[in-house]
Amino acid sequence: GAVVSQHPSWVICKSGTSVKIECRSLDFQATTMFWYRQFPKQSLMLMATSNEGSKATYEQGVEKDKFLINHASLTLSTLTVTSAHPEDSSFYICSAGQGAGANVLTFGAGSRLTVL
Amino acid sequence: KNEVEQSPQNLTAQEGEFITINCSYSVGISALHWLQQHPGGGIVSLFMLSSGKKKHGRLIATINIQEKHSSLHITASHPRDSAVYICAVTGNDMRFGAGTRLTVKP
Repeated sequence: GAVVSQHPSWVICKSGTSVKIECRSLDFQATTMFWYRQFPKQSLMLMATSNEGSKATYEQGVEKDKFLINHASLTLSTLTVTSAHPEDSSFYICSAGQGAGANVLTFGAGSRLTVL
Repeated sequence: KNEVEQSPQNLTAQEGEFITINCSYSVGISALHWLQQHPGGGIVSLFMLSSGKKKHGRLIATINIQEKHSSLHITASHPRDSAVYICAVTGNDMRFGAGTRLTVKP
């Protein structure tokens, strides 16, 4: 079946540094990838939708200059948290969409970011 | 009021019991997803529904478009079913329910 690899699975960084998270579709092409954030004991929140070769569409309240998304190929999307601060500590998850409307979703395992 | 409401919030069952988790939504959708999140955080997409009913093993998902309601059923529940189950709807955008934390005791 479809597999999405997300890397790193966890990362600890100092405040002010930038962190890049990769999301790869391993055995299929994903024209659309989604990035989510999940705070402890809360549900998922969609951050942005990225389409290959075009700018990402960010949800209301998500700073596009802070969360840089690049979807340069059909199998790779990256999320870079720039100038990370402790409040950015969260669980970040990606999914790749297939099919009409990219409705068939395959999720990555998630990346836990801790900013000290 | 949230656009996607799940119930119950928490559910504890004995092994073997039949379980139902409900999801109601108030927006127009193109599809509804049932997701399973295990304690480690990994998420598995269980079902994508736009109408009717789907079955996979011991899991059954139904949706009533007119009533804007979906249910996830687990038959013969097992401790390994313990997880958070999340309802998500996609349409113009994607919205998530708060999740249902299921614990199945042996």
